[in-house]
Amino acid sequence: GAGVSQSPSNKVTEKGKDVELRCDPISGHTALYWYRQSLGQGLEFLIYFQGNSAPDKSGLPSDRFSAERTGGSVSTLTIQRTQQEDSAVYLCASSLGGQGAYGYTFGSGTRLTVV
Amino acid sequence: AQRVTQPEKLLSVFKGAPVELKCNYSYSGSPELFWYVQYSRQRLQLLLRHISRESIKGFTADLNKGETSFHLKKPFAQEEDSAMYYCALKGQGGKLIFGQGTELSVKP
Repeated sequence: GAGVSQSPSNKVTEKGKDVELRCDPISGHTALYWYRQSLGQGLEFLIYFQGNSAPDKSGLPSDRFSAERTGGSVSTLTIQRTQQEDSAVYLCASSLGGQGAYGYTFGSGTRLTVV
Repeated sequence: AQRVTQPEKLLSVFKGAPVELKCNYSYSGSPELFWYVQYSRQRLQLLLRHISRESIKGFTADLNKGETSFHLKKPFAQEEDSAMYYCALKGQGGKLIFGQGTELSVKP
């Protein structure tokens, strides 16, 4: 596609429910990244994919968070048993190649609110 | 440790005044640094990369390895420059490590 597409754009969920966030990267971009943007916290790295494998999952905050990528394209970030502290904007980015030397292209994000 | 520090949460200047958004980093090795900008209700986008030594929208940033800084500068701020600015460092595996961001407000 022309840009990085994320869905849904907004999600309100009840505490304890599971949510799935989707990212569709730019066609041909092999690297995909998930970040979390919270007020006053900047952008927090979550996980990085190169193709379908995730060489760096170091930023996932707990085992309630998981992500997968299939076909070297679409990625899904799943949060199980959501908590209020999970409320944030979840950003996806993709880049050409795994070294991000050309910078990332970001999606518009999914705003998650846990009530 | 790999870290990016933006000491100012908010920077407010008047139109036409010079602007400097501060960024300091911690990295062992040769760093690659970026500035990203997020305008109101728009997505985060790349502003400039230090390796390009480019000037975008009148902004420049010089890497100072001695001071471990990569400050973003513009000689004459415009109202349309009002946005959130993030400094980022390329870490292991190509992931970007972001600072906490500085909100720039340019008043008329």
